[in-house]
Amino acid sequence: GAGVSQSPRYKVTKRGQDVALRCDPISGHVSLYWYRQALGQGPEFLTYFNYEAQQDKSGLPNDRFSAERPEGSISTLTIQRTEQRDSAMYRCASSLGSGNTEAFFGQGTRLTVV
Amino acid sequence: AQSVTQLDSHVSVSEGTPVLLRCNYSSSYSPSLFWYVQHPNKGLQLLLKYTSAATLVKGINGFEAEFKKSETSFHLTKPSAHMSDAAEYFCVVTWGGSARQLTFGSGTQLTVLP
Repeated sequence: GAGVSQSPRYKVTKRGQDVALRCDPISGHVSLYWYRQALGQGPEFLTYFNYEAQQDKSGLPNDRFSAERPEGSISTLTIQRTEQRDSAMYRCASSLGSGNTEAFFGQGTRLTVV
Repeated sequence: AQSVTQLDSHVSVSEGTPVLLRCNYSSSYSPSLFWYVQHPNKGLQLLLKYTSAATLVKGINGFEAEFKKSETSFHLTKPSAHMSDAAEYFCVVTWGGSARQLTFGSGTQLTVLP
């Protein structure tokens, strides 16, 4: 596609449920990043991939969070046993490569845990 | 370690007057610096970037920023504000010339008054 696409745009889930957030990067972009943005804050790094390899997951807050990119294109961020504190905007970005400075962001998924 | 401080959480200007959004950074490495803009219900859009070339960087929509190493600053300016500039602006730093682990400031909400 022309830009980074994320789905769903909005997700409301009950506490304790698992959620999967999808990111479709710009075609040909090697690197893919996940960020989380709490209300009133800037986005914070969660994890990133080069191709299908997860290069850094140091920003994932705990082991309920995981991400994959099995074919080096679409990525899924999964949150298990959601908690209210997981409510945030989850943003995905992609870039041509990890050595490239310009990242293109999607519109984000607004997750609300009730 | 790297960090970004946006000195104003809210800035209000009248249409046609200059805009100044302030940003200071700290980085142990030669930084790459960016300004992103976020309009409501839209993804983050790159306004401009500094990657160790010219210190005065021109971006889209008439914005520019000057990298001042001695002051560790990267302030965003525009000579004349337009109503469409109303949005949230994020100053961002990364290290090593890479888009991995972008560090965002907490954002500045710009209001443009008619």
